[in-house]
Amino acid sequence: KQEVTQIPAALSVPEGENLVLNCSFTDSAIYNLQWFRQDPGKGLTSLLLIQSSQREQTSGRLNASLDKSSGRSTLYIAASQPGDSATYLCAVPWYSGGGADGLTFGKGTHLIIQP
Amino acid sequence: DTGVSQNPRHKITKRGQNVTFRCDPISEHNRLYWYRQTLGQGPEFLTYFQNEAQLEKSRLLSDRFSAERPKGSFSTLEIQRTEQGDSAMYLCASSLSRGLSNSPLHFGNGTRLTVT
Repeated sequence: KQEVTQIPAALSVPEGENLVLNCSFTDSAIYNLQWFRQDPGKGLTSLLLIQSSQREQTSGRLNASLDKSSGRSTLYIAASQPGDSATYLCAVPWYSGGGADGLTFGKGTHLIIQP
Repeated sequence: DTGVSQNPRHKITKRGQNVTFRCDPISEHNRLYWYRQTLGQGPEFLTYFQNEAQLEKSRLLSDRFSAERPKGSFSTLEIQRTEQGDSAMYLCASSLSRGLSNSPLHFGNGTRLTVT
């Protein structure tokens, strides 16, 4: 059974700092990994999706890396801003023999950027 | 493209009552998912539709839960005889994929259920 762990569970840093969020997964047989952002009381917004053939994916100040062999992914946020405050979740897909699929999520990292 | 829409946003009900939630996915998306999220946890998979076919149900989905997606468009999730443990955020997501899932999931803002 796939398990996804995110470290740290919570992080509070001053504005402007660069920071790294970590995600690890137990089953490395994945086709992709996805990072999401969730604001309080809201749904999830997809930030980056890394295919298994890729090592990195970038969007603006966000950079996500994937190391399948070690079962790890990192989300790097450059020059953090108060608007980055949210919970960040990573997720990996699973596939059933019946053709269905879904995502297994970590518990998230709750990020606070202090102005 | 207005994104994934869920209604209602909030639902407060008394234990034992039935509730129904609706999800309207992005129109061209063929896959629809229901997830449940409790405070401090990541979303947990409940069920999945490929067009109108329900292909997978989690063991979390007791027989009090039923989901439908008639005509492969909107979906409903019904909970019968609600219990306090059903209190959670119910999230719907959709995606457009063929074969292995390799496109991002788009989530709605969820329906927050409180059972008193």
